[in-house]
Amino acid sequence: AQKVTQAQTEISVVEKEDVTLDCVYETRDTTYYLFWYKQPPSGELVFLIRRNSFDEQNEISGRYSWNFQKSTSSFNFTITASQVVDSAVYFCALSLGMDSNYQLIWGAGTKLIIKP
Amino acid sequence: AAGVIQSPRHLIKEKRETATLKCYPIPRHDTVYWYQQGPGQDPQFLISFYEKMQSDKGSIPDRFSAQQFSDYHSELNMSSLELGDSALYFCASSSGRQKPTYEQYFGPGTRLTVT
Repeated sequence: AQKVTQAQTEISVVEKEDVTLDCVYETRDTTYYLFWYKQPPSGELVFLIRRNSFDEQNEISGRYSWNFQKSTSSFNFTITASQVVDSAVYFCALSLGMDSNYQLIWGAGTKLIIKP
Repeated sequence: AAGVIQSPRHLIKEKRETATLKCYPIPRHDTVYWYQQGPGQDPQFLISFYEKMQSDKGSIPDRFSAQQFSDYHSELNMSSLELGDSALYFCASSSGRQKPTYEQYFGPGTRLTVT
């Protein structure tokens, strides 16, 4: 069975601190896709990144970076020099692609609060 | 760039009424997904369509039905509404199977309140 675990229910940091959101996934498939979505207080779901299982290269996009480690089945998300606008719920999700009709398996989400 | 459009953005209905939510996918996206998100929960998959055919079914109640039309827009019809149906309903779209991108792009959601 597939599962995504985001153990951190809520994280609160002061602006400009770095913060890492953890994501651990479970699947026996060798081909899978991992995602991060952001849901700000306004409610929309914003796609942040997709990582394929066969590409373990880490990615950096501005203040955001993602660390994909197959050995530990983790796909962690780090925000550097956090800002108040980063406050949101962040979801990690897993898809098996065509094998699962592209369905997303969601983590429970981590609520990130950035205090000014 | 064009995004997923959902209408209405907010909807208030009474118990036992019906509601219709509309979704217009990103142009050239042919797969549509519907999700229901309760307060403090992750999105729950309801149903999906590919090329106007139902492709997968999740936890969609029998009181709900959906379809995808020839222009790829989709409608979620909800009947005999219950208080527990109050939630944020998302539509998402993704590109075709021949050159899939796998990521789903979400609309802004429709907040349904049943009183």
